[in-house]
Amino acid sequence: GAVVSQHPSRVICKSGTSVKIECRSLDFQATTMFWYRQFPKQSLMLMATSNEGSKATYEQGVEKDKFLINHASLTLSTLTVTSAHPEDSSFYICSAVAGWNQETQYFGPGTRLLVL
Amino acid sequence: AQKITQTQPGMFVQEKEAVTLDCTYDTSDQSYGLFWYKQPSSGEMIFLIYQGSYDEQNATEGRYSLNFQKARKSANLVISASQLGDSAMYFCAMREGEDSSYKLIFGSGTRLLVRP
Repeated sequence: GAVVSQHPSRVICKSGTSVKIECRSLDFQATTMFWYRQFPKQSLMLMATSNEGSKATYEQGVEKDKFLINHASLTLSTLTVTSAHPEDSSFYICSAVAGWNQETQYFGPGTRLLVL
Repeated sequence: AQKITQTQPGMFVQEKEAVTLDCTYDTSDQSYGLFWYKQPSSGEMIFLIYQGSYDEQNATEGRYSLNFQKARKSANLVISASQLGDSAMYFCAMREGEDSSYKLIFGSGTRLLVRP
């Protein structure tokens, strides 16, 4: 159990376009999901906490209007990178907290974004 | 100040031998959780082991054990009988306090290479 998927696994887009990344909990309901960003050879940096049915909580320095997060259901959260620029190129990874074990975050496989 | 410190950017271990990956943490909370995740080259984050601050016994999960020394604020990961598939990045993480946000703070990671 505790499988989290992400789609797409990798995406290349032109500068100025928007990209939507989906994060799904496949076999459990997740009231809380997290979005992280990881640059090459660096650690994961939390971008925002996504709670079902409410607005996301963003970490300091993360632009809310640039990284739109929607947690529409207990199994789906989406991250939209709006007006993407080359500096937004990164590895975006989501995680979800399972109801039976809220101590542990289960991660998706990540999405590699390349903005040209 | 660093909340999670992993001082070993890279480690080598011979196949079938044991290896210890270091992690120290800094918190003033009484209640916290410590995690280890493995990140292979494919990018996904794989949960390995969890230790709660109130747990008196060291956590174990198969070949993984966590050497929890509360007074020293260290939570080292011990991998016994290393396998070639253990080669990956390993991240130590901490969840602070009773806050229901379950946010994790990650260390900078240790790259482990298992030699045949």
